[in-house]
Amino acid sequence: AQSVSQHNHHVILSEAASLELGCNYSYGGTVNLFWYVQYPGQHLQLLLKYFSGDPLVKGIKGFEAEFIKSKFSFNLRKPSVQWSDTAEYFCAADNYGQNFVFGPGTRLSVLP
Amino acid sequence: ETGVTQTPRHLVMGMTNKKSLKCEQHLGHNAMYWYKQSAKKPLELMFVYNFKEQTENNSVPSRFSPECPNSSHLFLHLHTLQPEDSALYLCASSRLVGDEQYFGPGTRLTVT
Repeated sequence: AQSVSQHNHHVILSEAASLELGCNYSYGGTVNLFWYVQYPGQHLQLLLKYFSGDPLVKGIKGFEAEFIKSKFSFNLRKPSVQWSDTAEYFCAADNYGQNFVFGPGTRLSVLP
Repeated sequence: ETGVTQTPRHLVMGMTNKKSLKCEQHLGHNAMYWYKQSAKKPLELMFVYNFKEQTENNSVPSRFSPECPNSSHLFLHLHTLQPEDSALYLCASSRLVGDEQYFGPGTRLTVT
């Protein structure tokens, strides 16, 4: 069965530190990839998505992710985190509308 | 606000009760989804509707019964639930299946 894994359960960083959250998927063939974020007390919302084209995708709030097909990875990055980035981050994969699967999530705590 | 509303926001029900969760989207989307979010478990996709037709049922027990009367409304009918069904139930919609999803705030369900 298709699956999505995220490397870290909980990441703690100081403000201005760089962030990289790992995501790997097990789908074969063409896949759509997403990062969603859930800020405390708020709805899940989309950070960025990859469907095709440039494997380096830029999203909102300075986040970016790189699709590396050979590694089945879609890691999320931000050069300098802020306290307001404290949230839970979910990677998700979809095979053109089939088998949509979320990863288990990574909780990010940014210390002021 | 994401354009997806859910009612009620909180629900406590006994194991013999029958209740329904409601989701409404004001985005003109054609696909709608039900998810279950439990503590310490990944977000689980339960049902997918595309143009009012159910396209995915991820081995969900029959005590959960979805209904999609039109592209804007989605219901989840609940009966004879178990305490382990206590969770946050999220509704989402997307323009088409496989596109980015917009999530509602969820219904926090407690089964006593």
